[in-house]
Amino acid sequence: GAVVSQHPSRVICKSGTSVKIECRSLDFQATTMFWYRQFPKQSLMLMATSNEGSKATYEQGVEKDKFLINHASLTLSTLTVTSAHPEDSSFYICSAVGRGDSPLHFGNGTRLTVT
Amino acid sequence: KQEVTQIPAALSVPEGENLVLNCSFTDSAIYNLQWFRQDPGKGLTSLLLIQSSQREQTSGRLNASLDKSSGRSTLYIAASQPGDSATYLCAGRNSGNTPLVFGKGTRLSVIA
Repeated sequence: GAVVSQHPSRVICKSGTSVKIECRSLDFQATTMFWYRQFPKQSLMLMATSNEGSKATYEQGVEKDKFLINHASLTLSTLTVTSAHPEDSSFYICSAVGRGDSPLHFGNGTRLTVT
Repeated sequence: KQEVTQIPAALSVPEGENLVLNCSFTDSAIYNLQWFRQDPGKGLTSLLLIQSSQREQTSGRLNASLDKSSGRSTLYIAASQPGDSATYLCAGRNSGNTPLVFGKGTRLSVIA
């Protein structure tokens, strides 16, 4: 079964509103979570890395004030797209890894459409 | 910083053929390499994970190899089926707490 749960799977919102995406590790403690974005027919691009209890580290070109990442516990990280615009429409996927030599698990992704 | 390249970008084969997808990476100090399948509009399905100490992994009709010295990995699919049609992504990471870096994928079509 899934070890990383991501919700919602799909969301449609109006331009200017904010959307929160949740990523939960179900049976392990996720010390680090990664957030990716995938535009149509493109590959997955890393947006940011978050460690539990610390501020997220954003990749170059990703606006930290627009894409708010919170990793307040070892089982939950959230990505909030603030003041969404149509160009933010994309597929967002989280992944999580535990301590030590553990594999990286992916959520099923969130399809965001901003109208 | 690890960079991953996949060729070809798209491939179309008749059902029953054996095929090879190619992946190259720039940093030979790779921690592990993973192959994924992605169906249109869906998330990722992990196919095979190869640790840096391994040279290949097999699962059913799939075989993935890893050659760190040349910076290459291949995914071999035997006796392809229409259900194998999907995008195949190769991704590598450099340590246990670093992210996977993805290639752009190979879009495979298996024609019945």
